[in-house]
Amino acid sequence: GAVVSQHPSWVICKSGTSVKIECRSLDFQATTMFWYRQFPKQSLMLMATSNEGSKATYEQGVEKDKFLINHASLTLSTLTVTSAHPEDSSFYICSARFAEEQFFGPGTRLTVL
Amino acid sequence: AQKITQTQPGMFVQEKEAVTLDCTYDTSDPSYGLFWYKQPSSGEMIFLIYQGSYDQQNATEGRYSLNFQKARKSANLVISASQLGDSAMYFCAMREGWSGYSTLTFGKGTMLLVSP
Repeated sequence: GAVVSQHPSWVICKSGTSVKIECRSLDFQATTMFWYRQFPKQSLMLMATSNEGSKATYEQGVEKDKFLINHASLTLSTLTVTSAHPEDSSFYICSARFAEEQFFGPGTRLTVL
Repeated sequence: AQKITQTQPGMFVQEKEAVTLDCTYDTSDPSYGLFWYKQPSSGEMIFLIYQGSYDQQNATEGRYSLNFQKARKSANLVISASQLGDSAMYFCAMREGWSGYSTLTFGKGTMLLVSP
């Protein structure tokens, strides 16, 4: 199957700093990428849908200015958590759509101290 | 109303036995797709099986089969001959419509534990 990578796989940062997470589709071009957040023992919650060359569409309740999404190319989308706080600590998963399937990255575990 | 409902928070099964994980869905869109994903403790989401709303036959992928009952709006996952490595969280998901903007909606998941 198609491969989606994420970097970094885990990150620990101080409160108030910004963290950038990269999501790449390695062997296919993805016009649409998705960002999810997953708290412990909970399901995946969609944060935003990102299309190459256009602004991301955010789900209700997700702060656009806090979670900046850039989809610069057909193979790269980035999520920047600005001024991160402990409540932003979570597992962030990106996903890329290819035909009818949706492939997921391995996730990034963010811990904000 | 929840779009995807998984009523079993946890399931236990013995190795080599079959297990059914329940999933019901709610949509008024005639075009939709149903997915099952496995999430082991590592966190990666592993695609298992897909069923389209217009598919006449139940989907099968190796030991996985999807019991699709359209009138009842259910899409249960059947795992035959369970293995210890099947222990994981399982999510049912639905995508409504076929546009590139269609997103996946996930259920709350079922934790499956396979014992020797």
